[in-house]
Amino acid sequence: NAGVIQTPRHKVTGKGQEATLWCEPISGHSAVFWYRQTIVQGLEFLTYFRNQAPIDDSGMPKERFSAQMPNQSHSTLKIQSTQPQDSAVYLCASSLGSYAEQFFGPGTRLTVL
Amino acid sequence: QQKVQQSPESLTVSEGAMASLNCTFSDGTSDNFRWYRQHSGKGLEVLVSIFSDGEKEEGRFTAHLNRASLHVSLHIREPQPSDSAVYLCAMSPNTGNYKYVFGAGTRLKVIA
Repeated sequence: NAGVIQTPRHKVTGKGQEATLWCEPISGHSAVFWYRQTIVQGLEFLTYFRNQAPIDDSGMPKERFSAQMPNQSHSTLKIQSTQPQDSAVYLCASSLGSYAEQFFGPGTRLTVL
Repeated sequence: QQKVQQSPESLTVSEGAMASLNCTFSDGTSDNFRWYRQHSGKGLEVLVSIFSDGEKEEGRFTAHLNRASLHVSLHIREPQPSDSAVYLCAMSPNTGNYKYVFGAGTRLKVIA
């Protein structure tokens, strides 16, 4: 079991560019979560999928951020027109069910110059 | 919304001495608490999950929960330099809520 896989581990973009972050959940896990971690705000919930369907995106910034889960083996978080304040570590987690233990990936460190 | 405060912000202990970390929360309705460890550049590793008042031990890690005093703690027995990391407490506001609320973390350094 490789655990939750996130790629890339590090991404540097210029202001205004697009960034796409990938997450491969643990095989058999039906729930996928995205979190953002910054020094100032700590760890914040962004969005959640269950059986590939978007269930809760209440933590997602309303503009420029979108998440998808086209199949059970991966989810993407896309940030359009990146801004310096988007710089953070983006963590993906998966679990067997909505309320089961969440297992976290290593994160993608996004730096927007 | 549930708020979580962790203390201390940083802690240095000698190898083999007990390390104690604290977490306080804003209301007592939560019943689902976890302690995670995050090594630099790594993801979160769950250490202990606790769902009722009292004590829960997982190896060298023991969590104590007291919802009446809005407090959950983590004690690390015989810490080693490899335990140096950021420790995060997390709770879901109530049963069946998947949105964990995290504390800001305690940075632990264990010196040999």
